[in-house]
Amino acid sequence: SQQGEEDPQALSIQEGENATMNCSYKTSINNLQWYRQNSGRGLVHLILIRSNEREKHSGRLRVTLDTSKKSSSLLITASRAADTASYFCATDNAGKSTFGDGTTLTVKP
Amino acid sequence: EAGVVQSPRYKIIEKKQPVAFWCNPISGHNTLYWYLQNLGQGPELLIRYENEEAVDDSQLPKDRFSAERLKGVDSTLKIQPAELGDSAVYLCASSLTGGVTEAFFGQGTRLTVV
Repeated sequence: SQQGEEDPQALSIQEGENATMNCSYKTSINNLQWYRQNSGRGLVHLILIRSNEREKHSGRLRVTLDTSKKSSSLLITASRAADTASYFCATDNAGKSTFGDGTTLTVKP
Repeated sequence: EAGVVQSPRYKIIEKKQPVAFWCNPISGHNTLYWYLQNLGQGPELLIRYENEEAVDDSQLPKDRFSAERLKGVDSTLKIQPAELGDSAVYLCASSLTGGVTEAFFGQGTRLTVV
């Protein structure tokens, strides 16, 4: 079974709106990563947040981590049509990454 | 700098036939991963190498799957014999070290077993 679970499974928004995706996990982690996957392509790394960090920013991306609740969120601000993709969280423990099943984001122009 | 290169991109084979996938990681990356991804799901780790040593192959179905990473660089993943349920995308990824650093993924090999 997958360690991380993303929520929602699918999200559809208008261009310019913000998109928030959540990830919950079950066991302790060293760090958590978010990846994007365009249809038919490999995964692209977006951001890594360590277990002792609470928030990280990268451009239009903001990631939070709450280890007490075993959850993380990915916020994409001012979304663009090009952000349409699947987004996965991956939890790392002792060098092993475990992926959730992803959130499919559709941004309508 | 070239990314992770996988070949072939697509493969269609009949069940019970053998198949092999090849991966060339990013130069200098010690850690190499093979993942399986079913439609609508996230990647599932099959095997992880640190240099030429397989450090995690607990999810590799060893009765039909095998992998090798000669000289700690390129890697091949083999299935023999293939079953209908093996139809999936096989992703290779590499990273400088395991866990703490980001992994770079290839575009994957889409396997269809008929």
